[in-house]
Amino acid sequence: DIQMTQSPSSLSASVGDRVTITCRASQGISSYLNWYQQKPGKAPKLLIYGASSLQSGVPSRFSGSGSGTDFTLTISSLQPEDFATYYCQESYSPVGFGGGTKVEIK
Amino acid sequence: EVQLLESGGGLVQPGGSLRLSCAASGFTFSSHAMTWVRQAPGKGLEWVSSIGGSGDSTYYADSVKGRFTISRDSSKNTLYMQMNSLRAEDTAVYYCAKDFRREPAAHQFNWFDPWGQGTLVTVSS
Repeated sequence: DIQMTQSPSSLSASVGDRVTITCRASQGISSYLNWYQQKPGKAPKLLIYGASSLQSGVPSRFSGSGSGTDFTLTISSLQPEDFATYYCQESYSPVGFGGGTKVEIK
Repeated sequence: EVQLLESGGGLVQPGGSLRLSCAASGFTFSSHAMTWVRQAPGKGLEWVSSIGGSGDSTYYADSVKGRFTISRDSSKNTLYMQMNSLRAEDTAVYYCAKDFRREPAAHQFNWFDPWGQGTLVTVSS
């Protein structure tokens, strides 16, 4: 089984900060990596697919990069509505999720 | 607009059974695989099962294999999950989601969008 490790598991940041979340796969998964945002009590929402493609309607401050084993989700300027939990998901094994990264207000 | 609406959750005793439903609208149902993902209280996301657009191919997480059965009815645009021999560790919110692909498979681009609002399953005596 492929293990997906996200880091950090939580972080505190301020509005306007640049935030970077990392997802590492236990073996190479090419670019078969997606990112989701989940707010409390809500369903996850797709942000990034194929490691770096922005889903329609998602603000351009979100970006994804990486391939192989190391991937990054970046929020260029954190907004109040971005405080949430973020998950990576691989479609190589056929499916697995990272443990999540909770972005909290500093 | 694509919409997914889950139902069927509730309280069930250990060893009991439950059937979840997910009513889909706004897209060609048979053209997309469908997936169930669950989330235990305060925990992360766990993939449970996927089914191809035709219903011929099914995949399960090891944690539910042999106890859960995924199915779909294209005439009703509805996805199902029959859950038997339920355990306390099956307690979770269960989400259905639409796959990007028609047939789920490993080593391929695939993602889930959108997701339903979720239905809570509680296994407790």
